[in-house]
This record gives sequence, C-alpha cells and structure tokens, in this order.
Amino acid sequence: GAVVSQHPSWVICKSGTSVKIECRSLDFQATTMFWYRQFPKQSLMLMATSNEGSKATYEQGVEKDKFLINHASLTLSTLTVTSAHPEDSSFYICSARRRGNEQFFGPGTRLTVL
Amino acid sequence: AQSVSQHNHHVILSEAASLELGCNYSYGGTVNLFWYVQYPGQHLQLLLKYFSGDPLVKGIKGFEAEFIKSKFSFNLRKPSVQWSDTAEYFCAVTITGGGNKLTFGTGTQLKVEL
Repeated sequence: GAVVSQHPSWVICKSGTSVKIECRSLDFQATTMFWYRQFPKQSLMLMATSNEGSKATYEQGVEKDKFLINHASLTLSTLTVTSAHPEDSSFYICSARRRGNEQFFGPGTRLTVL
Repeated sequence: AQSVSQHNHHVILSEAASLELGCNYSYGGTVNLFWYVQYPGQHLQLLLKYFSGDPLVKGIKGFEAEFIKSKFSFNLRKPSVQWSDTAEYFCAVTITGGGNKLTFGTGTQLKVEL
C-alpha cells in the first residue's frame, strides 16, 4: 500500500514560537503533496500544494509567510507554522499524490498553541 | 469555485440497516468524485472514486456510489451496515485541470449501533 506518515502526531507550543511538521511518503515517491487544515467538526480545507523542487502554491487567504512549506525531496514535505498564535491551533493533515490522481493521507498533526 | 455539500451531519443506524449518504457538488464542468472514510483515530482512506464510465461505482467494504450528472450528486450507499462502519465520511471533488486539488464536504458522522 501507499503509506504517508506525519511527525509529530501532536505538539503543544507557546505563542510566538515556530513549529515544524513533517510529512513523509514511506513507500512511494510523491511529486505533489498537499497540506490541509481541519477545524473541529468542520471539513478539511486545502492550505497549499507542495511540488518537489519548486515553490508551494497557496490557496486564497493562506499566509505564505506564516505557513512555510518546503518540499525538499520526493518523499518529504514540511510545514512550518511561524510565530504561532492560539488561532493557529488546529489539526493539520498532509496528503501525497502518487502517479495518477489518488491522494494518500497522513494521520494528521494536532497543534495546540498556548 | 467548486463546492461540496453533505446534507446529513450525523446519522445513527442499527446494524443491518441500509445506508445512503447524500453528496451534491456545484461545478459546471467535468469533475472527479471521491468518498473518503475516517475511522476513529485513523487517517483518511479512500472508499471509492469516479472519474468516468459507469456511473455506478463500487468501492471497498461493500460501499457503492452513483454519479447522477443531472442532479450533481454522488450519493454513497451500503445495503447493510456493520458496527465497524462507524466513522466519518467525506465526499470530495476535483475538477479537470484543477491540479488534483480536493474540495471536501463537511463530512457525515455515522454511528452504527448494535
């Protein structure tokens, strides 16, 4: 199967600090990875599309300077929440696209900013 | 922009009951349609997908969905649910030429009682 991991699974940080979340495709190469945000009892909202070797494409309303995305290799994308604030607390989910149109999702990272 | 609506936010069924979860999308062009399931504490998994061809799509675990273009609908069905089907179900759509970006519905929480 196609497995996507995220690390950490949960993180608590102080307001003003930065947090890095990793997304890895464990058994396939992913030219494209996606980052989503899920608020409680709401749907997943796409934040950005991450392409290996190029800049991420951000959705409207998502601050690219606040949510830094790096897709350094075909198996790793990172999301850094810079100067985190309590309103950034959320569940962040990544997905990786293998050849074809199917996306495989990671288990998510719960971020709590105090 | 495309959008997806799921009419039922919470559904409670007894084991062996039949299931139908509604999903409607708004977009005038060609779409690809998906149903994902998220079991408690687990990541999103693909149940089934429709790209083209037979509008009745069969997925894993006995689920099926029917694409009715005239109604912009892609309802999920299962003739007889099991307790293990308790999960959250998300309908999603991508549009042709849209870079495989998934737009999700708000999800339906299904609880199956013994």
